[in-house]
Amino acid sequence: GAVVSQHPSWVICKSGTSVKIECRSLDFQATTMFWYRQFPKQSLMLMATSNEGSKATYEQGVEKDKFLINHASLTLSTLTVTSAHPEDSSFYICSAKGPNRAFFGQGTRLTVV
Amino acid sequence: KQEVTQIPAALSVPEGENLVLNCSFTDSAIYNLQWFRQDPGKGLTSLLLIQSSQREQTSGRLNASLDKSSGRSTLYIAASQPGDSATYLCAASGGTGGFKTIFGAGTRLFVKA
Repeated sequence: GAVVSQHPSWVICKSGTSVKIECRSLDFQATTMFWYRQFPKQSLMLMATSNEGSKATYEQGVEKDKFLINHASLTLSTLTVTSAHPEDSSFYICSAKGPNRAFFGQGTRLTVV
Repeated sequence: KQEVTQIPAALSVPEGENLVLNCSFTDSAIYNLQWFRQDPGKGLTSLLLIQSSQREQTSGRLNASLDKSSGRSTLYIAASQPGDSATYLCAASGGTGGFKTIFGAGTRLFVKA
């Protein structure tokens, strides 16, 4: 089946720094990718829809200047958490729209210290 | 706006019991519905995907059904085992809002040996 690779799988960063997370569709082209966030013991919440070649669409309550999304190619979308703070510590998961379904990455655990 | 609800929120059963997890969704114009398993601190494992034109899918001891008209899906687990202990997430893709995948809050399952 189709594979979505997410990198890194975990990252620890200092408060105030920026962190970039990559989401790649390895064997199919994805014009649309999605980014989710999961806080401990909660479900996955959609943050934004990433469209190749255009601006991302953010869900209500998600700060677009804090969570920068770039979908520069048909196989890569990146999420940059800018000026990270401890409250941004979370599990971030991406998905890519493939043939007939969405395929999910394995997630990135971000810890901001 | 699609909303996905899962009942029960938590479930504890003795080993060997058959059990049913319930999922309901508000927007029936979905492309597909997917059941995932998530172990603590881990990513998503896709269990079963039911396309909108299908009524059910089976994999081993798992059977998922879909009733689009009533906005419901069930995940049936036969002969539960301690290794089945995890959080089970229901996710609906599509609807009038596009190809977003919206997750339920999950059912935390504990199977006692």
